[in-house]
Amino acid sequence: EPEVTQTPSHQVTQMGQEVILRCVPISNHLYFYWYRQILGQKVEFLVSFYNNEISEKSEIFDDQFSVERPDGSNFTLKIRSTKLEDSAMYFCASRGDGNTGELFFGEGSRLTVL
Amino acid sequence: QKEVEQNSGPLSVPEGAIASLNCTYSDRGSQSFFWYRQYSGKSPELIMSIYSNGDKEDGRFTAQLNKASQYVSLLIRDSQPSDSATYLCAVNGGSTNAGKSTFGDGTTLTVKP
Repeated sequence: EPEVTQTPSHQVTQMGQEVILRCVPISNHLYFYWYRQILGQKVEFLVSFYNNEISEKSEIFDDQFSVERPDGSNFTLKIRSTKLEDSAMYFCASRGDGNTGELFFGEGSRLTVL
Repeated sequence: QKEVEQNSGPLSVPEGAIASLNCTYSDRGSQSFFWYRQYSGKSPELIMSIYSNGDKEDGRFTAQLNKASQYVSLLIRDSQPSDSATYLCAVNGGSTNAGKSTFGDGTTLTVKP
């Protein structure tokens, strides 16, 4: 069964360092998303990406965040200068064409900022 | 007021019983409603989607939607220990961004053998 894959599964970094989280969405999907979940809290929308550009972003997604689709398969989230409060599980999700909104999540990348 | 509110857990039911999970939402323009299951430390997994008023059944799961009451629920029949997880209600608030979902806090279900 096709799945969304994410790397790394866990990354520990020092405050102020740059982090890149990688995702390979399901191959025939066209819409890509990043969500995050701080430990013990709800899943929150960060950004959506379609046709090689951001279609929507939340207020969490400030200037320190960026997304990119550098090739035909990868979808990355970059955090330029990490803060302690960026510690969370970051989920990549994708969906196919149509307007159903059903998301397929990757297993997540746990980011720990020290 | 929370945008998506779920009944506070944890919820504990014996094996074989019906588990009932409830969710209310604030945006009357919402069009799409989802239930995800999240095991501890894992990612959300879609188990049900519903788009129109009424009931939708899939195996042991039934989703119910009442847009007038801004209410969506999930019933799990013949609950199994493997159903023990946190259940997330997610709502698409009617924006053109179909994949932008607003999630509730989740209800943790424990099914006791």
